[in-house]
Amino acid sequence: QKEVEQDPGPLSVPEGAIVSLNCTYSNSAFQYFMWYRQYSRKGPELLMYTYSSGNKEDGRFTAQVDKSSKYISLFIRDSQPSDSATYLCAMFRGGSARQLTFGSGTQLTVLP
Amino acid sequence: EAGVTQFPSHSVIEKGQTVTLRCDPISGHDNLYWYRRVMGKEIKFLLHFVKESKQDESGMPNNRFLAERTGGTYSTLKVQPAELEDSGVYFCASSPSREGEQYFGPGTRLTVT
Repeated sequence: QKEVEQDPGPLSVPEGAIVSLNCTYSNSAFQYFMWYRQYSRKGPELLMYTYSSGNKEDGRFTAQVDKSSKYISLFIRDSQPSDSATYLCAMFRGGSARQLTFGSGTQLTVLP
Repeated sequence: EAGVTQFPSHSVIEKGQTVTLRCDPISGHDNLYWYRRVMGKEIKFLLHFVKESKQDESGMPNNRFLAERTGGTYSTLKVQPAELEDSGVYFCASSPSREGEQYFGPGTRLTVT
């Protein structure tokens, strides 16, 4: 079983829609959670970074972490065609264990 | 502020040859990470430097891989001799602090034929 599960999609939505992307994880030791956006043939671009449970908002993006359910989400409001990319969740334990464990990524297409 | 840079962007080599990948982290970032994505798989951790010291190399697949970080600045990852299964995209990331955000470079696409 993978430590981090992420629905690979593909997910296709119309412009302006609210997008919900999710990951589940099995290791309760994870404390730090990130969302990355990756365009084709590019490196992952950091979107959101959260510590422990709770919500964090940045513009059109909201990250949620529910540690009790081992579930994290990224919401994109008013989605734009430029949001079309692969979205990766990643997490790490902290302390001496700072390596990221990634989900497989969800491919999102926002149709104009 | 310049981001993480990697060189080359793409390398095609034959099985048995040697390849060296280079990563220049964001200036002032003491933490440098190497990751790899092979076809159809998730991005996987290889190793972590703090300044010039290897903090964690638990993800290195075998002793054909050698990573160095000279003077705590740029880092190189050498694969010698390369095997077919080493093909993939190698990413470097840097972070300013222990639990800080990790910023990724564009990656080096390695193809071993």
